[in-house]
Amino acid sequence: AQSVTQPDIHITVSEGASLELRCNYSYGATPYLFWYVQSPGQGLQLLLKYFSGDTLVQGIKGFEAEFKRSQSSFNLRKPSVHWSDAAEYFCAVGLNTGTASKLTFGTGTRLQVTL
Amino acid sequence: NAGVTQTPKFQVLKTGQSMTLQCAQDMNHEYMSWYRQDPGMGLRLIHYSVGAGITDQGEVPNGYNVSRSTTEDFPLRLLSAAPSQTSVYFCASRPTGRRNEQYFGPGTRLTVT
Repeated sequence: AQSVTQPDIHITVSEGASLELRCNYSYGATPYLFWYVQSPGQGLQLLLKYFSGDTLVQGIKGFEAEFKRSQSSFNLRKPSVHWSDAAEYFCAVGLNTGTASKLTFGTGTRLQVTL
Repeated sequence: NAGVTQTPKFQVLKTGQSMTLQCAQDMNHEYMSWYRQDPGMGLRLIHYSVGAGITDQGEVPNGYNVSRSTTEDFPLRLLSAAPSQTSVYFCASRPTGRRNEQYFGPGTRLTVT
């Protein structure tokens, strides 16, 4: 069964600093990979996704992520964090075949941004 | 488009009570699913549906029932609420042919006392 690990429960960065959130997955085939963001009291919003092709994917709000098959990783990055980026971030992996289309989520990383 | 809507936003139940969490989408998505979110555990899949009349169990289905009589609606029923079902519940839907890019509703915060 697939699994997702987000090793950092909580990260604090200063506004304007760079950000990298880690995500490692376990899955036998080429995965579909996603990053979602959840602001307090809100639902989840898709930031970006990787299905195939170029391993560096661009998302909304200036985020990007790089798929590294050799490291089973899909880390999320942003060059300069804004205070409005404070939220919880979830990495997820999806089945690559069939129609069941189930997502497995990591436990999330809460980002705090200091001014 | 309203997207994915959920009602109610908040609910408090007593142990043993039953209730239905409503979920509707107006995007004509075939696939819909229910997740629960608990601190430190991410989101876990409860039930999902690949189309009207078809449902299946996810990772944590016990204590919950679902049905899908129309494409638009996917209600989640708690038959006899337990404190362990205190959680935030999210409904999601996905368009056909775009695997796994799911759109989430705003959530229902349920407390069982």
